[in-house]
Amino acid sequence: RKEVEQDPGPFNVPEGATVAFNCTYSNSASQSFFWYRQDCRKEPKLLMSVYSSGNEDGRFTAQLNRASQYISLLIRDSKLSDSATYLCVVRGVGLTFGTGTQLKVEL
Amino acid sequence: EAGVAQSPRYKIIEKRQSVAFWCNPISGHATLYWYQQILGQGPKLLIQFQNNGVVDDSQLPKDRFSAERLKGVDSTLKIQPAKLEDSAVYLCASGESGNTIYFGEGSWLTVV
Repeated sequence: RKEVEQDPGPFNVPEGATVAFNCTYSNSASQSFFWYRQDCRKEPKLLMSVYSSGNEDGRFTAQLNRASQYISLLIRDSKLSDSATYLCVVRGVGLTFGTGTQLKVEL
Repeated sequence: EAGVAQSPRYKIIEKRQSVAFWCNPISGHATLYWYQQILGQGPKLLIQFQNNGVVDDSQLPKDRFSAERLKGVDSTLKIQPAKLEDSAVYLCASGESGNTIYFGEGSWLTVV
């Protein structure tokens, strides 16, 4: 079983749609959790940290369920500029990345 | 604030040749990482340094890959001899202990 698993997509959605990405992790001792965004041929950049209480940053909401070892990212009112790959990241000793979920927002 | 610097940005070599990548982390960041990202996959950790000591190199193919961070600042990743399957982006990242990490733009390697 992979340490961090994501549905690779792609998710093709119309502008204005709400889209949700899920991620599961295998190491119950993992300490912290993140979503990174990676544009085509660019480096990954931090989108947001994920907390057990859930956290929101504008149109983006992240949730963590430690009991189920499950992380989610919700994007509301999708924009064309949201098109990218979203990487689920888990910190143990170092950072372990999922394969990423590709999002394409279309007109 | 200057970001993570990497060079060269692009490199094409023949299989069995050698290549070296250089990384200069953000000033003051004690932790430095090298990741390998193959097209269509997420970044895979090759090696993690804390200052000039190795924290984790369990996924580094030590028969052909080596990395050093002699003075606890910049770092070099070397591949010798290269194989076709080494074609990837080599991403350097740095961070302060336990916090967010920041990536450089990457070094794109093509082995032909």
